[in-house]
Amino acid sequence: GIQVEQSPPDLILQEGANSTLRCNFSDSVNNLQWFHQNPWGQLINLFYIPSGTKQNGRLSATTVATERYSLLYISSSQTTDSGVYFCAAYGDGGYNKLIFGAGTRLAVHP
Amino acid sequence: SQTIHQWPATLVQPVGSPLSLECTVEGTSNPNLYWYRQAAGRGLQLLFYSVGIGQISSEVPQNLSASRPQDRQFILSSKKLLLSDSGFYLCAWSPGPPAGYTFGSGTRLTVV
Repeated sequence: GIQVEQSPPDLILQEGANSTLRCNFSDSVNNLQWFHQNPWGQLINLFYIPSGTKQNGRLSATTVATERYSLLYISSSQTTDSGVYFCAAYGDGGYNKLIFGAGTRLAVHP
Repeated sequence: SQTIHQWPATLVQPVGSPLSLECTVEGTSNPNLYWYRQAAGRGLQLLFYSVGIGQISSEVPQNLSASRPQDRQFILSSKKLLLSDSGFYLCAWSPGPPAGYTFGSGTRLTVV
């Protein structure tokens, strides 16, 4: 099955800084999503982005499907951005089983 | 609009006791349904998925089972809990490709 790798595993930022999170996947994908897991454990869907670029406020994401990677950009980070960011993908094969990376744990300090 | 409900939010159960976690989806029909587990400080592992009533596929051999008695209801069960069953359990749904997943709020299970 598809393999999903995220980097860096941990990231510490000062409030206001920008950051880039990376997700590499081992095969062609039909779906790629970025999630933010908040301190209560809930997974918030940030982007559904199998290809191309999307933006939502201070967050944006780009997936280059031909090169098998996706990037999540966080600009002007805030303390509320803290948490774990997961990339997840599925490729061809039955039932679109979403496979998660190990996550990037982000801590934004005031 | 579609919503997904999962309960209970937290659960503390003794070793050897049974388990039943329920997940329901509203506002859609024939969704794909999924159960994931997250161990403390780790990523998410797919446990079961279902593409229709009574159709369950297991990803990881374990002490758990799943059932889908109705189109929009997905249940995770165990006859006898083990300490290793502790974790954060998340239900998700998808309308099928190409579309994203939406997750429920999760159940934090502690087996003591």
